[in-house]
Amino acid sequence: EIVLTQSPDFQSVTPKEKVTITCRASQSIGSSLHWYQQKPDQSPKLLIKYASQSLSGVPSRFSGSGSGTDFTLTINGLEAEDAATYYCHQSSSLPITFGQGTRLEIK
Amino acid sequence: QVQLVESGGGVVQPGRSLRLSCAASGFTFNTYGIYWVRQAPGKGLEWVAVISYDGHNQYYADSVKGRFTISRDNSKNTLYLQMSSLRSEDTAVYYCAKGSGSYLTPFDHWGRGALVTVSS
Repeated sequence: EIVLTQSPDFQSVTPKEKVTITCRASQSIGSSLHWYQQKPDQSPKLLIKYASQSLSGVPSRFSGSGSGTDFTLTINGLEAEDAATYYCHQSSSLPITFGQGTRLEIK
Repeated sequence: QVQLVESGGGVVQPGRSLRLSCAASGFTFNTYGIYWVRQAPGKGLEWVAVISYDGHNQYYADSVKGRFTISRDNSKNTLYLQMSSLRSEDTAVYYCAKGSGSYLTPFDHWGRGALVTVSS
């Protein structure tokens, strides 16, 4: 099983800050790594697919990078609406796995 | 627009069974793999099962293997999850999620979820 480890688990940040969340895989997964945002009492929403591919309708302040075992989600210019929990997910092999989540609190 | 609507959740006693449904619309249902993902209260996301676009292949997390069965009816655009021998640790919100392709892809749309509570 591929284990995904996110850091940090929690971060308290101020608006307009730059935020970086990392996801490390226990073995190489190429670029089969995706990022989701889940706001309280909502279902997850796909933010970035295949490590760095942006999606229509997702604000441009969200970007992703990495390949192999180390990946990063960056939020440039945090906004209050970005308060949420962020998860990484690998689709390289079964079983499908998720990171444990990173909760962002806006000060 | 793509819509996924889960139903069938509720309170069930340990050891009993329950069937969830997920009604899909807004896309060509029979060309995409579909997944069940669950989230225990206050916890993270856990993949449960996946079924291929044609229903011929199903895969399960070890935690549910032998107890849960995923199926689909492409004529009704509906996904199912038959859950048996339920345990307290199966208590969770169960989401159906659409893959962006036929197999092992990101989940580009999610339903709102169905809450399953296993309790005596």
